[in-house]
Amino acid sequence: GQQLNQSPQSMFIQEGEDVSMNCTSSSIFNTWLWYKQDPGEGPVLLIALYKAGELTSNGRLTAQFGITRKDSFLNISASIPSDVGIYFCAGTNSGNTPLVFGKGTRLSVIA
Amino acid sequence: GAVVSQHPSRVICKSGTSVKIECRSLDFQATTMFWYRQFPKQSLMLMATSNEGSKATYEQGVEKDKFLINHASLTLSTLTVTSAHPEDSSFYICSALGRGATYYNEQFFGPGTRLTVL
Repeated sequence: GQQLNQSPQSMFIQEGEDVSMNCTSSSIFNTWLWYKQDPGEGPVLLIALYKAGELTSNGRLTAQFGITRKDSFLNISASIPSDVGIYFCAGTNSGNTPLVFGKGTRLSVIA
Repeated sequence: GAVVSQHPSRVICKSGTSVKIECRSLDFQATTMFWYRQFPKQSLMLMATSNEGSKATYEQGVEKDKFLINHASLTLSTLTVTSAHPEDSSFYICSALGRGATYYNEQFFGPGTRLTVL
């Protein structure tokens, strides 16, 4: 099935550092979503973006919906050990359609 | 609010047996639920869309006779893996699409079911 291009695939960072990851698509999406998945759990929604150019924050997390509607990025500031996990971007064009997921970014935080 | 549960959380079965996985929306109604499969270190791949009161829509390459989906009520969808084989071992995750003013068209994910076929 269709997938988004998500990078980087993995990151090892020191506690306190900032993190940035992004997603690109060859097609337009009307909604971009960012999820975090802990081992053995389902994805949990972090941020939802509904408008091109939109910049949204949720605590230490900031995400932007690219102006072309084909990309999005997620920044995490001042990382902490509990930020460890896999982060997925997802896109959709309609609220009642399934999500198209990126391949994920595996984040490791070294204390 | 907006909690989705899955049961069982883990199941180990012998090759050739059938396994049923339940997905429930606990505090909201969902006319649509989605079933995803996730292999180790990979992303979620959509298997099928489950609609209450009608037949499920399967993605290309997913065998409908092997992965039986029933969405009998607005809060429950079941996925039955029939005649399971080791290659069916995976993490199965459902999501439920909210309806009504509070959760309209928001998707909420269950915690997943780890299936291991011996």
